Amino acid sequence: GAGVSQSPSNKVTEKGKDVELRCDPISGHTALYWYRQSLGQGLEFLIYFQGNSAPDKSGLPSDRFSAERTGGSVSTLTIQRTQQEDSAVYLCASSVLDGNYGYTFGSGTRLTVV
Amino acid sequence: QKEVEQNSGPLSVPEGAIASLNCTYSDRGSQSFFWYRQYSGKSPELIMSIYSNGDKEDGRFTAQLNKASQYVSLLIRDSQPSDSATYLCAARTGGFKTIFGAGTRLFVKA
Repeated sequence: GAGVSQSPSNKVTEKGKDVELRCDPISGHTALYWYRQSLGQGLEFLIYFQGNSAPDKSGLPSDRFSAERTGGSVSTLTIQRTQQEDSAVYLCASSVLDGNYGYTFGSGTRLTVV
Repeated sequence: QKEVEQNSGPLSVPEGAIASLNCTYSDRGSQSFFWYRQYSGKSPELIMSIYSNGDKEDGRFTAQLNKASQYVSLLIRDSQPSDSATYLCAARTGGFKTIFGAGTRLFVKA
């Protein structure tokens, strides 16, 4: 596609429910990243996928968070048993190669846990 | 803990002035540095990248890098109200992930 596509754009969920966030990167971009941004805060790295290599999961805050990337393209970030502190904007980005030329971000998913 | 530090601001400058945004980073192994602009309620947009010591100019924007001092800056000349946004400084680590600062809010007064 022309840009990084994320869905849904907004998600309100009850505490304890599971949620899935989707990211469709720019065609041909081999690297895909998930970040989250809490209100008024900077971007917190979550996970990085590069081609067929094992993902860098070092930023996932707990074992309630997981992500996969199927066929080297679309990625899904899953949060199990959501907590109120999970409320944030979840941003997906993609890049050519390994991100040395910067990222293109999607428009984000605003997650609210009530 | 690898960090990128920025003054949160807000930085307020009059229209037509030069806005100067600064950031420091802790990982001496970082080789690539970026400035992103983020309008309120929007996602970050890459505006500048810099890889070697010195200045890099692109239109009204100049990025400056000093690896010895671990310091990156962004100058915006002839600032316009449309430049009002949060500017995020970022450093790419040797582990291929990019660490972002918390951002500096810039207000350009008409």
